[in-house]
Amino acid sequence: AQSVSQHNHHVILSEAASLELGCNYSYGGTVNLFWYVQYPGQHLQLLLKYFSGDPLVKGIKGFEAEFIKSKFSFNLRKPSVQWSDTAEYFCAVKRGSQGNLIFGKGTKLSVKP
Amino acid sequence: EAQVTQNPRYLITVTGKKLTVTCSQNMNHEYMSWYRQDPGLGLRQIYYSMNVEVTDKGDVPEGYKVSRKEKRNFPLILESPSPNQTSLYFCATIIRASGGSSYEQYFGPGTRLTVT
Repeated sequence: AQSVSQHNHHVILSEAASLELGCNYSYGGTVNLFWYVQYPGQHLQLLLKYFSGDPLVKGIKGFEAEFIKSKFSFNLRKPSVQWSDTAEYFCAVKRGSQGNLIFGKGTKLSVKP
Repeated sequence: EAQVTQNPRYLITVTGKKLTVTCSQNMNHEYMSWYRQDPGLGLRQIYYSMNVEVTDKGDVPEGYKVSRKEKRNFPLILESPSPNQTSLYFCATIIRASGGSSYEQYFGPGTRLTVT
């Protein structure tokens, strides 16, 4: 079955540290890739997305993600995190023309001030 | 302003008492979906709807019903709620990304349901 794997359950960083959150998926065809962020007590917000073209995607709030097709990966990065980045981050994959998004289980990021 | 709204936002109920969580969107989107979010499990799709009167099961449909009588509304129905349906529920609508053949979803604010 198709799946989306996020490698880390909980990541704890100090402010200004660099961040990389892993995401791998198991579907071999055309995919659209997304990262969502959920701040405490809030709903999901789209952080960035990849459809086609340049595999390095820049999103809001200084986040970026790189699609590496050969590795089936779409890792999220930020060079210098802030306390306000404390949230849960979800990777999601949409397969081909189907409407369903498959989500990873999420990674909690805690940033210490 | 594009919006997905859910009601209620919080609900505490007892086992077996039927309830409905409403979802409404003002964007005239065809595709709508319900997810539940549980700690350590991420978001799992319950049901989705490709258009009016067209619904289909997601990954975890047991214990839930939906209806899509009109495009803007997609209520989630729990005929006989049980404690294992205590969860955070999100409604979402999907739109075609501008200039492309791909899509993105927008989520409602969530409904936190507790079944005792």
